[in-house]
Parts: sequence; structure tokens; C-alpha cells
Amino acid sequence: AQSVSQHNHHVILSEAASLELGCNYSYGGTVNLFWYVQYPGQHLQLLLKYFSGDPLVKGIKGFEAEFIKSKFSFNLRKPSVQWSDTAEYFCAVRTSGGYQKVTFGTGTKLQVIP
Amino acid sequence: EAQVTQNPRYLITVTGKKLTVTCSQNMNHEYMSWYRQDPGLGLRQIYYSMNVEVTDKGDVPEGYKVSRKEKRNFPLILESPSPNQTSLYFCASKESPNTGELFFGEGSRLTVL
Repeated sequence: AQSVSQHNHHVILSEAASLELGCNYSYGGTVNLFWYVQYPGQHLQLLLKYFSGDPLVKGIKGFEAEFIKSKFSFNLRKPSVQWSDTAEYFCAVRTSGGYQKVTFGTGTKLQVIP
Repeated sequence: EAQVTQNPRYLITVTGKKLTVTCSQNMNHEYMSWYRQDPGLGLRQIYYSMNVEVTDKGDVPEGYKVSRKEKRNFPLILESPSPNQTSLYFCASKESPNTGELFFGEGSRLTVL
């Protein structure tokens, strides 16, 4: 069964700092990859997704992620974070073939200090 | 406006008192799913439905039931709630089982005393 690991559980950054959140998955076949964001008290919203093509994908609010197949990774990046980026971030993987199950990581809480 | 609507948003109940959390989507999505979110555990899938009258267990189905009699609705039923079902519940839908991203409802925070 596939699994998703987010190694950083809680990240604290100052405004304007650069961000990189790690996401690794275990699944040998074709995958679709997602990052979702959950602002305090709100539901999950899609930040960006990778299905195929250019492994560097750009999402909303200046976020981007790079799919490195050889490393089974899909790390999320942002060059300069803002206080409004304070949220919890979830990586998710959808496998191909048959029932395409979506598995979520345990989430990373990002706190941006003004 | 495209949305997934859950009710109630907040509920405090007692052990053993049956409850239902409703979920409705207005996007004509085939696929719907229920997740629970617990600190340190992320989102875990409870049940999912690939279409009307087609439901299946997710990773943590114990203590829950679902039904999918209509395409737009996917209620989550706790026949006899227990304190370990205290959690934040999210309903989600997507266009079809094999395409698209998930759209989430606002969440239902359930406390079982």
C-alpha cells in the first residue's frame, strides 16, 4: 500500500524567509501528486498538482513544487513567505490503475512570524 | 457556486446516541469520500463512494456507516458514537473516481462525551 511522509511536522519561519516542505511517497507505479493547504479554521484547498509533463509545477500564491521521480519526492517551495501563509500543508498522492486511492501525509504546520 | 456542504459544523453528543453528518455537493461529482482529521495523523479515509449505490471502506471504517442513494448526497452515520470518534470530519468529492482533484467541505467538528 502506498504511504506519504511529511518529515517536518511544525515549521516556524520569519516573513520573507524561504520555505521548503518535504514530501516523500512510497509507490512504485505512476502517481499524481497534490499539495493542499488548510488555513486556520478552514477546509482543505488545492494549492497545486502534478499529473505529467514538466516536473516543476507552479500553484497559487507563489508556491511551486518539484517532482523528482528518482527520489519519490514532491517538495513544496516558496521563495519568500508571508504571514498569511500560516497554515497546515498536506501532501497527497493518487495512484494509477484500478481504484485510484488518494493518500494524505500527516501534514506540516507552518507558522510565519511577522 | 460550486461547493460541498456539511452539516452540522459543530456537534457535541454523548456516547451511544446515534447521529448523522450530512454531506451534499452541487457539482454533479461521481466520487465522494469521508475523512477524519486527527492531530499528528493527517487525514484518514473512512468510506468512499464511486457512484450512486456504490460504497466501500477506506482505511478507518469501524464504527461508521454511509449510504449513497442520490448522487449529490453522502451522509456519514455513527450508529453508536464513542469518545474515540471525537474528531474533525471532512467530506470531499471529485468529478470521477479516476480524475480530478478533491473538493472539500468546511468540516464538522464532533465531540463525543
